Amino acid sequence: GAGVSQSPSNKVTEKGKDVELRCDPISGHTALYWYRQSLGQGLEFLIYFQGNSAPDKSGLPSDRFSAERTGGSVSTLTIQRTQQEDSAVYLCASGQAYTEAFFGQGTRLTVV
Amino acid sequence: AQSVSQHNHHVILSEAASLELGCNYSYGGTVNLFWYVQYPGQHLQLLLKYFSGDPLVKGIKGFEAEFIKSKFSFNLRKPSVQWSDTAEYFCAVRLTGGGNKLTFGTGTQLKVEL
Repeated sequence: GAGVSQSPSNKVTEKGKDVELRCDPISGHTALYWYRQSLGQGLEFLIYFQGNSAPDKSGLPSDRFSAERTGGSVSTLTIQRTQQEDSAVYLCASGQAYTEAFFGQGTRLTVV
Repeated sequence: AQSVSQHNHHVILSEAASLELGCNYSYGGTVNLFWYVQYPGQHLQLLLKYFSGDPLVKGIKGFEAEFIKSKFSFNLRKPSVQWSDTAEYFCAVRLTGGGNKLTFGTGTQLKVEL
């Protein structure tokens, strides 16, 4: 693929509903990252996958957040029981181990 | 925990002015350093990176950055900015030997006026 693809590009959901955000990384990239970007907050690290290693989940803000990566490729970030403070742009990036990360366009999540 | 500081949150410059954006990190080990740029409505793109070797790194669009290990800094510079450089700039650090997590600063919003 040409780049990192994220879907949907925009998501509006009601407070309390669950949402799933999808990331298709660049083919062959072993590393995959999720970040959250809020106005004035920079990029907040959420989770990192590297090959078959256990993911680094140290950035997940609560147990309502989870992510998986199937077959070492596509990743899904799930937010359960969404809250208004979850509103942000969720960014996915991929790369080879220990090189730069390539970012997708992001999913803008709005919780109403 | 490692952290990245970008002290300038908003910078306004006139075209042709020189630019320097500060980036400091808090970790004393071996690091990889990056500057990313996000133009309005676009995704984050890599401007330049430092892994090892010459501490003065040149990137795209005339940008450069200097790694000063003793100051834990990786400041971004451009001698003469253009209106098209209006964007948000993010510094990022990876701690080598400590996983592959990229830690980002809070970003600097640059506005270049004609």
